[in-house]
Amino acid sequence: GEDVEQSLFLSVREGDSSVINCTYTDSSSTYLYWYKQEPGAGLQLLTYIFSNMDMKQDQRLTVLLNKKDKHLSLRIADTQTGDSAIYFCAESLFGGYNKLIFGAGTRLAVHP
Amino acid sequence: EAEVAQSPRYKITEKSQAVAFWCDPISGHATLYWYRQILGQGPELLVQFQDESVVDDSQLPKDRFSAERLKGVDSTLKIQPAELGDSAMYLCASSPVDTDTQYFGPGTRLTVL
Repeated sequence: GEDVEQSLFLSVREGDSSVINCTYTDSSSTYLYWYKQEPGAGLQLLTYIFSNMDMKQDQRLTVLLNKKDKHLSLRIADTQTGDSAIYFCAESLFGGYNKLIFGAGTRLAVHP
Repeated sequence: EAEVAQSPRYKITEKSQAVAFWCDPISGHATLYWYRQILGQGPELLVQFQDESVVDDSQLPKDRFSAERLKGVDSTLKIQPAELGDSAMYLCASSPVDTDTQYFGPGTRLTVL
């Protein structure tokens, strides 16, 4: 079945790196996404990685994909208070009309 | 930068009433999605349109929910009658036909009393 799991909460100090982890079950995933949601707002696309890639870097964001273990991570370098939000991992299923399956989200709290 | 528009942003209604949400996707995006996000959970797909056609409504509670995209542009999601368990954020997203990437609107937060 389709399932995406994330840890629920992460607390980091401002300036440190944050690593948010995600596991997924469907090996036919084509793309894997990271979205950010601030309180009361919609989802903001942060970055994505194609399933045949191992790593993607985009400014302060680094995505690592371990396809063998079905493990995805998002690293945020030099975490700032503005990074405090809920981060969602999502997989896009091959042949599923681009349907996205989301995890429950990881709440990132950045403290001074 | 083009964005997905949704209205209203907030809606409070009493159970058994009818509610409707509107979404205007990014211009040129052929695919439109409606998701429901219950507090503390990730979004779940309710219905997906390709142009004006429904391609996936397997999770849409069809006894009370309906969705349309008559001209293949903007879309309306309706709930009639609303139930207490329908309180949630309703998110609309769109994507171009040649990519999986979905862009989300700000959502409509529904509270059913």
